[in-house]
Amino acid sequence: GPKVLQIPSHQIIDMGQMVTLNCDPVSNHLYFYWYKQILGQQMEFLVNFYNGKVMEKSKLFKDQFSVERPDGSYFTLKIQPTALEDSAVYFCASSLALRLGGEAEQFFGPGTRLTVL
Amino acid sequence: GDSVTQMQGQVTLSEDDFLFINCTYSTTWYPTLFWYVQYPGEGPQLLLKVTTANNKGISRGFEATYDKRTTSFHLQKASVQESDSAVYYCVLGGTNAYKVIFGKGTHLHVLP
Repeated sequence: GPKVLQIPSHQIIDMGQMVTLNCDPVSNHLYFYWYKQILGQQMEFLVNFYNGKVMEKSKLFKDQFSVERPDGSYFTLKIQPTALEDSAVYFCASSLALRLGGEAEQFFGPGTRLTVL
Repeated sequence: GDSVTQMQGQVTLSEDDFLFINCTYSTTWYPTLFWYVQYPGEGPQLLLKVTTANNKGISRGFEATYDKRTTSFHLQKASVQESDSAVYYCVLGGTNAYKVIFGKGTHLHVLP
């Protein structure tokens, strides 16, 4: 089936540094998402991106977070600067657009494990 | 606001046992309801999806029925296998939002 790829699979950085997480979504998908999952806990929605714009974001999507997808390349999540509480697994997802993004099946990548020291 | 409730954090069964995972939701809109399954080291993947139009979803022996009266979307399987061990998420979509809402997840552990 359709695959979402995430690069890298693991990232270890020092607190205060910048990190960029990369996502290669399913090729004909139009909606893109980032989720955060702290080990053993719930999947938390961060942000939804469509047509070059953030459509919706949660309280977890702090000012230090940003997303973009320049020229149809990777969909990226940038954190600058990072904090200890940003340590988690970040999942990217993509979906086709239906009437509303919330109706479509989302395809998830395998996640990027981010460790902030 | 919109919400999803999964009370069972962990369920332990033996092979061939009956599975029932409870899920209730709250929304003022016409929901689309999903069950996603997450295996260790992977992202969630769709197990089944139900809209108000079709009421019941069936996939890989799992089934879930959308009950508007009780606002429930419970997941069932007649006979679980060890390979069903995973985390199961009840997910609410189709609301007046561009996102979906994940329940807290139920960790299913099936003993051989």
